[in-house]
Amino acid sequence: AQSVTQLDSQVPVFEEAPVELRCNYSSSVSVYLFWYVQYPNQGLQLLLKYLSGSTLVKGINGFEAEFNKSQTSFHLRKPSVHISDTAEYFCAVSKQTGANNLFFGTGTRLTVIP
Amino acid sequence: EADIYQTPRYLVIGTGKKITLECSQTMGHDKMYWYQQDPGMELHLIHYSYGVNSTEKGDLSSESTVSRIRTEHFPLTLESARPSHTSQYLCASSELGQGSYGYTFGSGTRLTVV
Repeated sequence: AQSVTQLDSQVPVFEEAPVELRCNYSSSVSVYLFWYVQYPNQGLQLLLKYLSGSTLVKGINGFEAEFNKSQTSFHLRKPSVHISDTAEYFCAVSKQTGANNLFFGTGTRLTVIP
Repeated sequence: EADIYQTPRYLVIGTGKKITLECSQTMGHDKMYWYQQDPGMELHLIHYSYGVNSTEKGDLSSESTVSRIRTEHFPLTLESARPSHTSQYLCASSELGQGSYGYTFGSGTRLTVV
């Protein structure tokens, strides 16, 4: 089975500062990795995904994530955050073959402070 | 435009009432899901479906039921609402067997049972 751990439940950061949201996964098979964002009172929106190839993945709104197989991590980064980035961020994993159920982490609340 | 729709967005209802949360998608996706998201923001899978006439229970036990009579429609029903059912309910869909696509989410229904 797959599992995802997001160690930081809340991350406060000042506007225009860099941010990293951590995600570690465990799986006995090859996986796809995803980051979703949820703005207040909204559903989840796909930020970016890692399928194969380059380990650095760029997504929407200036976010990027780096896949590290040896450390089983997929941390999300942004060099300079905006107030509008305040939201909940979820890391997720699915198997590359067979059933494609997504397993979600518990989420990290990013709060950007003016 | 292909999308996934949930209605109502907000619902306040009295204890003991029967409710149905609607979810429809226009993408022709075979697989659909219902997640319950509590105030702590963690996502719990409560139901999923592989296609018409297929329904499965998810990781979190729920008193709700679902049906899949048409590919595009996946309603969730609570026969007798209780305050413990107060939560946000998120519907999602995906391609069957295509884990690389991830999920497309609706905007959610925020249910309050008083």
